[in-house]
Amino acid sequence: EVQLVQSGAEVKKPGESLKISCQGSGDSFTSHWIAWVRQMTGKGLEWMGIIYPGDSDTRYSPSFQGQVTISADKSINTAYLQWSSLKASDTAMYYCVRTSMFRGLIVRFDYWGQGTLVTVSS
Amino acid sequence: QSALTQPPSASGSPGQSVTISCTGTSSDVGGIDYVSWYQHHPGKAPKLMIYEVSKRPSGVPDRFSGSKSGNTASLTVSGLQAEDEADYYCSSSAGSNNVVFGGGTKLTVL
Repeated sequence: EVQLVQSGAEVKKPGESLKISCQGSGDSFTSHWIAWVRQMTGKGLEWMGIIYPGDSDTRYSPSFQGQVTISADKSINTAYLQWSSLKASDTAMYYCVRTSMFRGLIVRFDYWGQGTLVTVSS
Repeated sequence: QSALTQPPSASGSPGQSVTISCTGTSSDVGGIDYVSWYQHHPGKAPKLMIYEVSKRPSGVPDRFSGSKSGNTASLTVSGLQAEDEADYYCSSSAGSNNVVFGGGTKLTVL
């Protein structure tokens, strides 16, 4: 069974840095793309970017390029999402998702993590 | 504002059928058959219900079906059950390394 286990909820102040994680188990983690998806309170889902842990090939949504950094450590089956300077508007639930791609197109989001709630408040 | 348009709410009585629409453009929904639907019970991880317009992953009941006509995709839930009450989101590939979501539809089982 594929499982993606995300790190716990975080409460941070504006300007602080943060790195949240997503550890995979079950199926081969390094041979599947992992995406990050944001859900702000009461809002819909937004795709942020995607990484292939096998070689760390990373692509970003134009809306999030330069705002966050996606990385991975294939030795421990873990993907990361990080911010260098958080803003109040980064307050949201963040999901990691195992993703199927075909010829550069995102086909579907197969398995979702449980989500990490990030709260940024002074 | 989300890239794909869904009705904010839908409802039906147990045993009835309900259809949720997802409208995009020829650059996403209308242009490629990589439309998916996700079920999200609050506090839980979202779950893939339909992919490539009408395919069901293993374990998803056949009460859930998907279709597409032009720039609009649809999710139909037949034989509504109490556990179907959830938020439903559509998504579509929108070109290379891009995907768009709908704003979500809250399905209520009356």
